[in-house]
Amino acid sequence: LAKTTQPISMDSYEGQEVNITCSHNNIATNDYITWYQQFPSQGPRFIIQGYKTKVTNEVASLFIPADRKSSTLSLPRVSLSDTAVYYCLVGPSGSARQLTFGSGTQLTVLP
Amino acid sequence: DTGVSQDPRHKITKRGQNVTFRCDPISEHNRLYWYRQTLGQGPEFLTYFQNEAQLEKSRLLSDRFSAERPKGSFSTLEIQRTEQGDSAMYLCASSLVGTTREQYFGPGTRLTVT
Repeated sequence: LAKTTQPISMDSYEGQEVNITCSHNNIATNDYITWYQQFPSQGPRFIIQGYKTKVTNEVASLFIPADRKSSTLSLPRVSLSDTAVYYCLVGPSGSARQLTFGSGTQLTVLP
Repeated sequence: DTGVSQDPRHKITKRGQNVTFRCDPISEHNRLYWYRQTLGQGPEFLTYFQNEAQLEKSRLLSDRFSAERPKGSFSTLEIQRTEQGDSAMYLCASSLVGTTREQYFGPGTRLTVT
C-alpha cells in the first residue's frame, strides 16, 4: 500500500486559495489519488480524484506532477464553511480494502 | 435520493452487551462498506459487500464482529460482547460497482461502551 504524508494542520483566511500537498513516494502504477473532506460528526465526502496532470471540478482542483509522487489539492477562495479535515488517499480502484485513510489535514479557515 | 442513513446515531452500552447497527445505502448502489473511526484518526475499513455477498474483511474485524446484507439492500453490523476499545464512530458507505474510490458516507453511529 502506498503510504501518504500530509500536514497535520493548516490555517487560512477567508477568500484565500488553499493548497494542501500530499506526499506518496511509493505510489504504484495502477494507483489513483483521491481526496475526501470530513466535517465534525459527519461521514467523509468525496471531493476529487485523479491519476495524472490536472483535474478540476466545481469544488477543487487536483494537481499531480509527472512522477506522481505527490499531489496538491487546491481550494479556491475558501470560506469559514471549508473548515474540515481533508484526507488524501492513494490506491487502486478495484479493492475497497485499499481505500485507506490516514490522519488527514485539519484546515481551519479564519475570518 | 435521501443519501446513506444509519440507525441509531448514538448508542451507549455496557461492556459485555451486544449491539446492532443498521445502514440503509443509496438505493441503486450495489456496494456497501463499513468503517470504524476513532477520535483524531481517519476511518478504518472493516468490510464490504457487493449485493448480498461479503467480499472483503479487514483483519480488524474480530470474531465478535459480524456484518450481513441479507437482501442486498440494507446492512447490519453486530458487535458481540462489547469492550471499551470498541467505542468509536461506525460509518457506513455505499457506491456503484466501478466507482469504488467515490463512496457516499452516512452520518455514522457513535458507540460508547461504559
